[in-house]
Amino acid sequence: GAGVSQSPSNKVTEKGKDVELRCDPISGHTALYWYRQSLGQGLEFLIYFQGNSAPDKSGLPSDRFSAERTGGSVSTLTIQRTQQEDSAVYLCASSLVGWGPETQYFGPGTRLLVL
Amino acid sequence: GQQLNQSPQSMFIQEGEDVSMNCTSSSIFNTWLWYKQEPGEGPVLLIALYKAGELTSNGRLTAQFGITRKDSFLNISASIPSDVGIYFCAGQGGSEKLVFGKGTKLTVNP
Repeated sequence: GAGVSQSPSNKVTEKGKDVELRCDPISGHTALYWYRQSLGQGLEFLIYFQGNSAPDKSGLPSDRFSAERTGGSVSTLTIQRTQQEDSAVYLCASSLVGWGPETQYFGPGTRLLVL
Repeated sequence: GQQLNQSPQSMFIQEGEDVSMNCTSSSIFNTWLWYKQEPGEGPVLLIALYKAGELTSNGRLTAQFGITRKDSFLNISASIPSDVGIYFCAGQGGSEKLVFGKGTKLTVNP
């Protein structure tokens, strides 16, 4: 398909373990975003990649969270030493260019449960 | 972080009824977006608004960009069961980050 894909779709882990979440954006989209959606909440911005520019990490909640985007395409969000409050749906989105009146296309999300 | 005030939080309606939900903000936005999220899926864009006072329709959906640029509403006419889901508003000021409301969960009873 031509949409944003994410893997895994579900992840259950134990407190203290590290997890890696993957996002494959739409081909040709230069901008990529990670959001966190907690139960009953809106989407919380985490990090934004635009082309070769330094990422905007202003939304990362702690230094346990990090993300990379290799080759301007695939992105990996890593959560180290997971905590129960990290349980949420992690959504990835991509757009043709960066912030602006530009449609962001979302992936289906990764549902993370930290026990 | 900054969030929009979206209301109502949830709605339980009968099939065929009209639905209205809205978002307000203390900040001025240049763009208002309305998304729908179905279970197990990511949000899908329904309507984008770029100009104060703009009224835009997409089938049975109608959204308006408030004249003050601090609010927007979404109406759904003649609701059907497949309208169920969570509806999110999102606002953006220029090239700033999108700010999302907490969503309105819609349940439609056949």
